[in-house]
Parts: sequence; structure tokens; C-alpha cells
Amino acid sequence: DAKTTQPTSMDCAEGRAANLPCNHSTISGNEYVYWYRQIHSQGPQYIIHGLKNNETNEMASLIITEDRKSSTLILPHATLRDTAVYYCIVRVPYGNNRLAFGKGNQVVVIP
Amino acid sequence: EAEVAQSPRYKITEKSQAVAFWCDPISGHATLYWYRQILGQGPELLVQFQDESVVDDSQLPKDRFSAERLKGVDSTLKIQPAELGDSAMYLCASSPETGNTIYFGEGSWLTVV
Repeated sequence: DAKTTQPTSMDCAEGRAANLPCNHSTISGNEYVYWYRQIHSQGPQYIIHGLKNNETNEMASLIITEDRKSSTLILPHATLRDTAVYYCIVRVPYGNNRLAFGKGNQVVVIP
Repeated sequence: EAEVAQSPRYKITEKSQAVAFWCDPISGHATLYWYRQILGQGPELLVQFQDESVVDDSQLPKDRFSAERLKGVDSTLKIQPAELGDSAMYLCASSPETGNTIYFGEGSWLTVV
């Protein structure tokens, strides 16, 4: 699986959109971009995933650049409960390909 | 919403003792994973099952760790003997088939003293 690069940490203002960047410059054509988050002391929570088109669900939006070398997870209206470690992972979504976590981005939503 | 169930939530054990964790995946999910997460790091895969068969246990310390999923439904992860360095959160996850979106349980915290 391709490696990803995320900020170690970032702060976001409550009520504002939070834009979480991720670089995956070595992503291959059949790898998807997955986002998970982990609130303190809980298991990782699936947020969203995509291949090349922008995706949106009830939790977030995923914007993938045209060259697929980077992406941005957008939390439209950050709340205090969005404070968590966010993991950006690239993975082939078939076969026995594991979900390989890095250290993630510690996002703190500030009142 | 269906969830992955894990127990116990917290466990304290003395080193050299045996400890076991149980996982019940989301109903109908064929693939089951056990991950270990050391404080401050991301989760790392220990073992992956497809139904009752192990498909990847390359990162499982087999001298002391064992995992089984006898009927292809729930699973048990065992550590014997426990060492101080095994203190971590043990996460179970499942997916409908390999490659699909993976859903995690709340984890089991282990402290070895």
C-alpha cells in the first residue's frame, strides 16, 4: 500500500469547516483513499472513501485532486465532538489488502 | 446500527499470566481482523480471518499469541504468557468480504503489570 503524509496535528474552530490534508504521491491506479477517525479511547470509525471523484456523505466530503496525489477531508461544520485522530489510508479495496494505519493527524476543535 | 462487539473492555493481568479477548463481528461479515494499538501509535494488524481460515498472520507473535475463529463467526485472541510490552488496546474489526469497508469495535484495553 502507498504511504500517506498528514500533518501531525492541527486546530480547527468550532462551527467552521475543517480541511484536513493528505498527500499520497505514490498512489497507484487501483488504490482508493480511505479516511477513518479515532476518538480518544475508542475504536477507529469509518468516515468516507473514494477513488477519483469527490465524495460526500452525512459525515464529511472527500476532495481528491485530479492527479490523485493528494486529497482533503472536509468536515463542514466542526463540533467539539469532532476532536480526534484522523487517519488517511490508501488501499486496494479487494483481495487481502490490509488497512495500514500511520500515526494520523490529531485534530483539536477549539470553542 | 450493527456493531462489532468486544469483551472485556478493560483487563489488568500480571505478567506471565494468560489473557483472552473475545470478538463478535457484525452479522454476516465474512472477514474478521485483530489489530493491536500501542499508545500514541496507529493500529497494526495482527491477524486476518476469512470465514474460519487465517489469511494473514504474518505480524502475529506466534510464540505467545494465538487466534481462532472456529465456526467462522466469533473469534478469540489469546496471549500466553503476557509480557509487559503487550500492554495496548486490542481492536477487532470486520467487513462483509475482504476489501470492503472495515468496521471496528470499541477495543479491549490490556494492562500487564
